[in-house]
Amino acid sequence: EAGVTQFPSHSVIEKGQTVTLRCDPISGHDNLYWYRRVMGKEIKFLLHFVKESKQDESGMPNNRFLAERTGGTYSTLKVQPAELEDSGVYFCASSQVGTGSGYTFGSGTRLTVV
Amino acid sequence: QKEVEQNSGPLSVPEGAIASLNCTYSDRGSQSFFWYRQYSGKSPELIMFIYSNGDKEDGRFTAQLNKASQYVSLLIRDSQPSDSATYLCAVNPSGTYKYIFGTGTRLKVLA
Repeated sequence: EAGVTQFPSHSVIEKGQTVTLRCDPISGHDNLYWYRRVMGKEIKFLLHFVKESKQDESGMPNNRFLAERTGGTYSTLKVQPAELEDSGVYFCASSQVGTGSGYTFGSGTRLTVV
Repeated sequence: QKEVEQNSGPLSVPEGAIASLNCTYSDRGSQSFFWYRQYSGKSPELIMFIYSNGDKEDGRFTAQLNKASQYVSLLIRDSQPSDSATYLCAVNPSGTYKYIFGTGTRLKVLA
């Protein structure tokens, strides 16, 4: 079984530019989550999809962040325009049913905004 | 007060010893508790989850949960240098699908 795949693994962009991160969950996993870890802080929840629907987006920092999951398969997270404080590691995770037995995380995208 | 608190460490233990990692949480209604291991630059990897008060054992790992005291711990027996990593405690609040993470405890197992 392939794991959760994220790309790019690294991205360096200038302040004001746009970046799009992609996540491919494990096949058959209806639940997809985005998390972020900024330097020195804990991993924080951004949002949760069930299939193509946003179930909970309470963690999205502001309207510069847009997440989509068209067709209920892969998901994208767009940051536009990027700010310095958006730098961090963005993790995607997926689970089959609820959270009972834990998520499987992807290896993350390290975003650096300069 | 942080929602999930862990000592950042590093916690250093000699090879073969028991490593004890602790985590406290503030939401008394939390239902599920998870321990993840994260090697530097890698993704968090699920080690164990626990729902009920008491102990849950899986190989060299034992998770302990005390809901009355709002703490969860992870014991690693016969620690190996390959166990050196950051251990993340995650709590799933009741009624949500999200996890609240602690900042993690860095464990060093000395050969």
